Amino acid sequence: GESVGLHLPTLSVQEGDNSIINCAYSNSASDYFIWYKQESGKGPQFIIDIRSNMDKRQGQRVTVLLNKTVKHLSLQIAATQPGDSAVYFCAENHTPDNYGQNFVFGPGTRLSVLP
Amino acid sequence: NAGVMQNPRHLVRRRGQEARLRCSPMKGHSHVYWYRQLPEEGLKFMVYLQKENIIDESGMPKERFSAEFPKEGPSILRIQQVVRGDSAAYFCASSPTGGGAHEQYFGPGTRLTVT
Repeated sequence: GESVGLHLPTLSVQEGDNSIINCAYSNSASDYFIWYKQESGKGPQFIIDIRSNMDKRQGQRVTVLLNKTVKHLSLQIAATQPGDSAVYFCAENHTPDNYGQNFVFGPGTRLSVLP
Repeated sequence: NAGVMQNPRHLVRRRGQEARLRCSPMKGHSHVYWYRQLPEEGLKFMVYLQKENIIDESGMPKERFSAEFPKEGPSILRIQQVVRGDSAAYFCASSPTGGGAHEQYFGPGTRLTVT
């Protein structure tokens, strides 16, 4: 069946280093992806999205890369800060206009930023 | 401008009791979505509502679960005769339009524990 998963359940990085969080998806028909950040005790927060007609998109300190050939998505965080500590998870769907009913969410990777 | 509010934040119920979860959307938002997050799993869409209307309940279990979003007051997710498998975090999100998941703002969630 369709699935979205993560290569690493936990990731620890030194403050100031770059972080790379990976996500694999299995549905080759997926054409829209979102990365979320979820801090402890809070709800998910939209970080960045990307459509399948792109292979890279940049935001503030974050970059999402999409490799459709191997069905792989990654989130890069530059100069990781303590406030970046959270669980990050990806979600995939067939259309960017879809409000969420057919999204497949990954379980998440916990990012810990070490002082 | 207050964000999405959910209460209670934590709810403990014995098997067979009823659970009522409340969600107040952001000011100006008339679209509400409920998601469930089981431990170690990703979010799963449950239901999408507008004022006095259920737009999509394709993710709701067929029995014991119901949702409403009255003309006045918060949206309510009701779980009757709770079972241990209902233990999860329930998140509400709201958006100004039903345009897409990227517009949704999540609340802090209600963590339901069934004993």
